[in-house]
Amino acid sequence: NAGVTQTPKFRILKIGQSMTLQCTQDMNHNYMYWYRQDPGMGLKLIYYSVGAGITDKGEVPNGYNVSRSTTEDFPLRLELAAPSQTSVYFCASSPGLAGVSEQYFGPGTRLTVT
Amino acid sequence: ELKVEQNPLFLSMQEGKNYTIYCNYSTTSDRLYWYRQDPGKSLESLFVLLSNGAVKQEGRLMASLDTKARLSTLHITAAVHDLSATYFCAVDPESTSGTYKYIFGTGTRLKVLA
Repeated sequence: NAGVTQTPKFRILKIGQSMTLQCTQDMNHNYMYWYRQDPGMGLKLIYYSVGAGITDKGEVPNGYNVSRSTTEDFPLRLELAAPSQTSVYFCASSPGLAGVSEQYFGPGTRLTVT
Repeated sequence: ELKVEQNPLFLSMQEGKNYTIYCNYSTTSDRLYWYRQDPGKSLESLFVLLSNGAVKQEGRLMASLDTKARLSTLHITAAVHDLSATYFCAVDPESTSGTYKYIFGTGTRLKVLA
C-alpha cells in the first residue's frame, strides 16, 4: 500500500493564480482531512470529509474549496492565491472506526505564493 | 475557544537525560494522540491514548493521559540524538460525534545534544 500520496511536492504560484492540490489514499478510509502548517507552527484543519459526497469546513476554510467524489481522492482547490496561503499542506486519512481515529498523513505539499 | 497547549515549546537536552513534555487542553476529550515530525517531513503517529489513565510506551518514550486534569505527558528516558524532532499532541474533542477532527498543539521542538 502506498498509504496517502500528495502531488505536487512543491509549487510556486503567483498572486491571483489558482491550483489544485491532489490527495489520494489506498487504505479505503472514509475520513479524509486537509491541514496547513505555517512555519514553526502546529497544524490547522482546513476541510474534512466523512465519506464520498460529504465535506465540511474546519478551522481555516477561507480561500479554499474541496470535493470528494470518490473514497480515494480528496483534492483541495485554491482560488485566487494570496501570500497568506504560503504554507505546507498535509492531507490525512482515518478509518474512522469506533475507538480508532488515528490519522495517517501524506508527505505534504510545500506551496509558496509570491 | 478550544486550546491545546504544549510546554515547553523548545527543549534542548543532553543525551542520557530524562525530561517530560506536557500537553494541556481546554475541553472534554477522552482521546489524545502524539505525533513526531522530523524537519521537512510529514507526521508519524507515536501513541494513541483512548481513555483516562492510559499509558503507552515505545522504546525511550512513554505517554500518559489524565482526562480529569485534561493533561497528557510524553516522558523521555535517557534521551538519544535520534529523538531530536518536533512532537505534537492532538485532541479529538468530538469523538462522540464521529467526525474525528483533531485540534493540534503548538508542538515541542526537541534537540538532543551529544
